[in-house]
Amino acid sequence: GNSVTQMEGPVTLSEEAFLTINCTYTATGYPSLFWYVQYPGEGLQLLLKATKADDKGSNKGFEATYRKETTSFHLEKGSVQVSDSAVYFCALSKDNQGGKLIFGQGTELSVKP
Amino acid sequence: EAGVAQSPRYKIIEKRQSVAFWCNPISGHATLYWYQQILGQGPKLLIQFQNNGVVDDSQLPKDRFSAERLKGVDSTLKIQPAKLEDSAVYLCASSFGDNYGYTFGSGTRLTVV
Repeated sequence: GNSVTQMEGPVTLSEEAFLTINCTYTATGYPSLFWYVQYPGEGLQLLLKATKADDKGSNKGFEATYRKETTSFHLEKGSVQVSDSAVYFCALSKDNQGGKLIFGQGTELSVKP
Repeated sequence: EAGVAQSPRYKIIEKRQSVAFWCNPISGHATLYWYQQILGQGPKLLIQFQNNGVVDDSQLPKDRFSAERLKGVDSTLKIQPAKLEDSAVYLCASSFGDNYGYTFGSGTRLTVV
């Protein structure tokens, strides 16, 4: 079946460090891929998305490229800030499933000043 | 625009008791989802409605969980009787029925003791 696997956390970085959070997926066909972020005490928010192979999603300095050959959608940011501390979820959706999302287990990021 | 509203925000109950959660989606969103997020895991879809009809309830433990969306607007999720393993955050989300305009509520945190 369809599934998403993320690197385990927590990830602890110093401010201005480079961030990579790995995400790989298993799915038939061509799913859409997403990164959601959950700040402490808040609901899930869409961070970025890509709907076809080689698309790059970007937002707030974060980016991720849909790599079909490696079935990956790794999240990157060149210089993290303390305010980026949150839990990040990779997810996929199949177009014929009415928007149902399948999530990875989440990766907690902690950025220290 | 108003977001997805959920209540209560927190709930603590004893095992074998019953509990109900309420969700009011974004106006105009035909599709409504209930997800269960257990601590340390990604959200898992419990049930998906299209207007007032059920599209997918394959992951809903039907012996104890029930959900309805009368009139195709707000929705109620019920657990009766609750078990310790039901402790989780219950997230409601709504969308136009595809990958766009997908919005999550802040969730209800349930603790079963």
